Amino acid sequence: DAKTTQPTSMDCAEGRAANLPCNHSTISGNEYVYWYRQIHSQGPQYIIHGLKNNETNEMASLIITEDRKSSTLILPHATLRDTAVYYCIVSFQGAQKLVFGQGTRLTINP
Amino acid sequence: DGGITQSPKYLFRKEGQNVTLSCEQNLNHDAMYWYRQDPGQGLRLIYYSQIVNDFQKGDIAEGYSVSREKKESFPLTVTSAQKNPTAFYLCASTIWAGYSNQPQHFGDGTRLSIL
Repeated sequence: DAKTTQPTSMDCAEGRAANLPCNHSTISGNEYVYWYRQIHSQGPQYIIHGLKNNETNEMASLIITEDRKSSTLILPHATLRDTAVYYCIVSFQGAQKLVFGQGTRLTINP
Repeated sequence: DGGITQSPKYLFRKEGQNVTLSCEQNLNHDAMYWYRQDPGQGLRLIYYSQIVNDFQKGDIAEGYSVSREKKESFPLTVTSAQKNPTAFYLCASTIWAGYSNQPQHFGDGTRLSIL
């Protein structure tokens, strides 16, 4: 079963920052937080992952709270192409599988 | 470009037929995975392989078979024993170095339908 809780859907205006929350209150010390997104009829696309420090790459930023019980994925300047289902996943190092929950359906509006 | 290639994109199967879905990667990844996705649902693990000539069952292996004869290739056969094969099938791969935290990367999937 998924170990994360995400809102079912969110909307964001084009050009604004999209902030997607994720709760993972039962995360253990060796588990990482991964974010993927899936655009309709395509495979999931890896976005970013982290353990306890905030992370940033060319796609997004990941903010993890100090107690690691929640995190936020930030898309700094959302575009229409960012419309997708976003999945937050917690997984320990070397895990054989990723457990995908229902994710958040993010809609970017013009 | 490096990546994961799944073929075909769409596949149709008649009742009682076995079909094989192809997955090839040129990322030099050790581990490969097959997932199944049903409409509106998350992904479920079918099989995975961490090394050539070795593979393990995932959560829903019944009615499926795999082989891993080459590092680059991990084909999935959907057998006639799989009673509800209509789904979106996704292949993934990752570096496997013991306890690596590197993410899995996915292909674009094969959509299988029953005629």
